[in-house]
Amino acid sequence: GENVEQHPSTLSVQEGDSAVIKCTYSDSASNYFPWYKQELGKRPQLIIDIRSNVGEKKDQRIAVTLNKTAKHFSLHITETQPEDSAVYFCAASKNAGKSTFGDGTTLTVKP
Amino acid sequence: DGGITQSPKYLFRKEGQNVTLSCEQNLNHDAMYWYRQDPGQGLRLIYYSQIVNDFQKGDIAEGYSVSREKKESFPLTVTSAQKNPTAFYLCASSISAGNSPLHFGNGTRLTVT
Repeated sequence: GENVEQHPSTLSVQEGDSAVIKCTYSDSASNYFPWYKQELGKRPQLIIDIRSNVGEKKDQRIAVTLNKTAKHFSLHITETQPEDSAVYFCAASKNAGKSTFGDGTTLTVKP
Repeated sequence: DGGITQSPKYLFRKEGQNVTLSCEQNLNHDAMYWYRQDPGQGLRLIYYSQIVNDFQKGDIAEGYSVSREKKESFPLTVTSAQKNPTAFYLCASSISAGNSPLHFGNGTRLTVT
């Protein structure tokens, strides 16, 4: 089955700096890669996703890159703000399949 | 207002008792999922259902059971066979399985003593 590894498990940055979280997956058939943000005590919510026919996608301060050959994808947050502090999860799935999640990254943005 | 509703928010049970967690969605999504979240372990899939009257085991299905008799509902029963049932349980739905984002409920925190 699919295995998703996520690094780092914790990340601390200064406000205004960039943050990068990386994930690798094992199943070459996976073709959908979402990222979720979970604030303390709340539900995970989708922040950005990418499909295997695209190499990069941006949404304001957030971007995701995908390298299908190496089977890894990354989340990039620029100009970080204290409200970006949360746990971030990557996931991988394929058509009609289940979503497999990474173990999460706790991001702390220090003012 | 479309969404996915889990109830109750907190649930307490004695060891040896079965307990059922409710999950309802009005998003007209075909696929529904149950995840368990423990501190530092991310989200682990218990069961998922791609369509009504069909469901499949996830990675940690032992000690759990589900049903999918209606499109809107996907209840999870935690049986006495689950060795460590105390956890935060998240229900989710998606338009279809595998290629669309998950919409999560607010979760149920189950404590078994």
